[in-house]
Amino acid sequence: DAGITQSPRHKVTETGTPVTLRCHQTENHRYMYWYRQDPGHGLRLIHYSYGVKDTDKGEVSDGYSVSRSKTEDFLLTLESATSSQTSVYFCAISESTTQETQYFGPGTRLLVL
Amino acid sequence: AQSVAQPEDQVNVAEGNPLTVKCTYSVSGNPYLFWYVQYPNRGLQFLLKYITGDNLVKGSYGFEAEFNKSQTSFHLKKPSALVSDSALYFCAVRESGTALIFGKGTTLSVSS
Repeated sequence: DAGITQSPRHKVTETGTPVTLRCHQTENHRYMYWYRQDPGHGLRLIHYSYGVKDTDKGEVSDGYSVSRSKTEDFLLTLESATSSQTSVYFCAISESTTQETQYFGPGTRLLVL
Repeated sequence: AQSVAQPEDQVNVAEGNPLTVKCTYSVSGNPYLFWYVQYPNRGLQFLLKYITGDNLVKGSYGFEAEFNKSQTSFHLKKPSALVSDSALYFCAVRESGTALIFGKGTTLSVSS
């Protein structure tokens, strides 16, 4: 999985609790992304980062925040988890944009009860 | 707005037969097109991409895809399917910027 790890790999939490997912890369790529995968929707972009402390919103950013304090780490936080955020979350990396391939991590399966 | 359509939720094919997984796209400019495969409980693996040049793109595991600008299509093909090709396949497009726009996915089932 292209030097990308995600933690935790599985998590069960309750509605209203904060949750943080971590993505760690060893490729020194500039761009990092968080997607969510839901049946019938494919993958949708939540947030992305184009450098340390540089982030921007994606298509489905409501209810999520991100931080990137180091090149290798990109954190996704659900401030107050809701059942609609039950999903599989994937981190991806790329060297640059547009023409470059994005490589994906193994995913985190999150269940919000 | 950019969009991708995978018109078939599932494709069934017998081992040894050719397979095609369809993808059509909509962009206002030049598209950058990608195919990914996902095996159960795994992340997405990159198969191939079209950026420019030859309309026939060859990728991993014997897969290829043909870019057809007039039909706005980028169908994934393989001459001889294997049972191990059974997986979920995603087509994605990027026109500009950072986000990949994914189709909803097509489940390929190869029977022995």
